[in-house]
Amino acid sequence: DVKVTQSSRYLVKRTGEKVFLECVQDMDHENMFWYRQDPGLGLRLIYFSYDVKMKEKGDIPEGYSVSREKKERFSLILESASTNQTSMYLCASTPPGSLNTEAFFGQGTRLTVV
Amino acid sequence: RKEVEQDPGPFNVPEGATVAFNCTYSNSASQSFFWYRQDCRKEPKLLMSVYSSGNEDGRFTAQLNRASQYISLLIRDSKLSDSATYLCVVNGLYSGGGADGLTFGKGTHLIIQP
Repeated sequence: DVKVTQSSRYLVKRTGEKVFLECVQDMDHENMFWYRQDPGLGLRLIYFSYDVKMKEKGDIPEGYSVSREKKERFSLILESASTNQTSMYLCASTPPGSLNTEAFFGQGTRLTVV
Repeated sequence: RKEVEQDPGPFNVPEGATVAFNCTYSNSASQSFFWYRQDCRKEPKLLMSVYSSGNEDGRFTAQLNRASQYISLLIRDSKLSDSATYLCVVNGLYSGGGADGLTFGKGTHLIIQP
């Protein structure tokens, strides 16, 4: 089974802190994604990556950056956390190519910025 | 702008009943379609892909209507364990149809009542 693992289930950070959310997948998938999910807004794509060292902005990249130094790891960085970044963050991965592919999600990180 | 629209509900349905909900998508060039299920405070997981000819998996039936640009999910003989949020997912809304083309609806909340 594909496994996508996020480093933390729950995280509490202070405003202005630099926050790292880590995601690791074990199926050699090329594509990795970071979403945030908020009530009434659904899943919104923050950043995604097709390959190592490649990154593309999603729909809401402002206030975030990412790092993909190794194929299996995709990190989301909040340079200076703000209270409006309190959310559930979900990492996902997919294999390349086919449009009919399933996206596999990590268990989510519930981040609270105080 | 790309859109996938769902009725957020909640749908309150007695156990054993049949329930159906739809999802509409904006781009006729969309190429693949899925239903995901998300339990409270958990990550989304693939429920079923939706094929042009329609498909059935046990009590679940998915249909695609390309002419009207909607997909549907029908649940027969509903169980208490079916209570969840059902996410409509469409791929290929971007012109390239690549990995970034996965677009999620905001979800339909289903509550099965005993």
